[in-house]
Amino acid sequence: DAGVTQSPTHLIKTRGQQVTLRCSPKSGHDTVSWYQQALGQGPQFIFQYYEEEERQRGNFPDRFSGHQFPNYSSELNVNALLLGDSALYLCASSSTLVDRAGNIQYFGAGTRLSVL
Amino acid sequence: KQEVTQIPAALSVPEGENLVLNCSFTDSAIYNLQWFRQDPGKGLTSLLLIQSSQREQTSGRLNASLDKSSGRSTLYIAASQPGDSATYLCAVPNTGFQKLVFGTGTRLLVSP
Repeated sequence: DAGVTQSPTHLIKTRGQQVTLRCSPKSGHDTVSWYQQALGQGPQFIFQYYEEEERQRGNFPDRFSGHQFPNYSSELNVNALLLGDSALYLCASSSTLVDRAGNIQYFGAGTRLSVL
Repeated sequence: KQEVTQIPAALSVPEGENLVLNCSFTDSAIYNLQWFRQDPGKGLTSLLLIQSSQREQTSGRLNASLDKSSGRSTLYIAASQPGDSATYLCAVPNTGFQKLVFGTGTRLLVSP
């Protein structure tokens, strides 16, 4: 049973570019959350997707957008990259069928984004 | 707004020591509390999940306790080993259960 998978593992971009990160949830999971983790900090919630809609959003600008597909996989898009966007981006999945609160989340290995 | 704090920020101990990591949260109306392990540059591995109705959970050499009324949780690691070296994070769901609020972590180094 595959866990949460994220791609790519590492990514290097320059300021002003756009990036797309991908996440496949754990089998049977229907909810995907995205977190940003800057160096030396705890993960910060970006947003959560359920039934292909954004369910809740953290304190991140509109440059950060996402999408969830019918197979529950998800993408995180960041436009007009800034140096400060350099971070580890973590995807987490959960199942509303098992846990209605959806807060028992399983994390992927993350995508390390470096903005030069 | 829920805030999570972890003390100490870093800890260095010799192999074999028993140690305690601390986590405090400002809003005691939590649904559960989770402890994670993170190796450098890697994702998060869930270690223990304590439901709000529980006072502690154990897994091998790890024991986590929860005191909701005081807004505190501790992670106890017995007989520490070099392989325990990692960053340990605690997290609680926010009131709407939609997201996890994390502390900044405790960076642990266990020396042989």
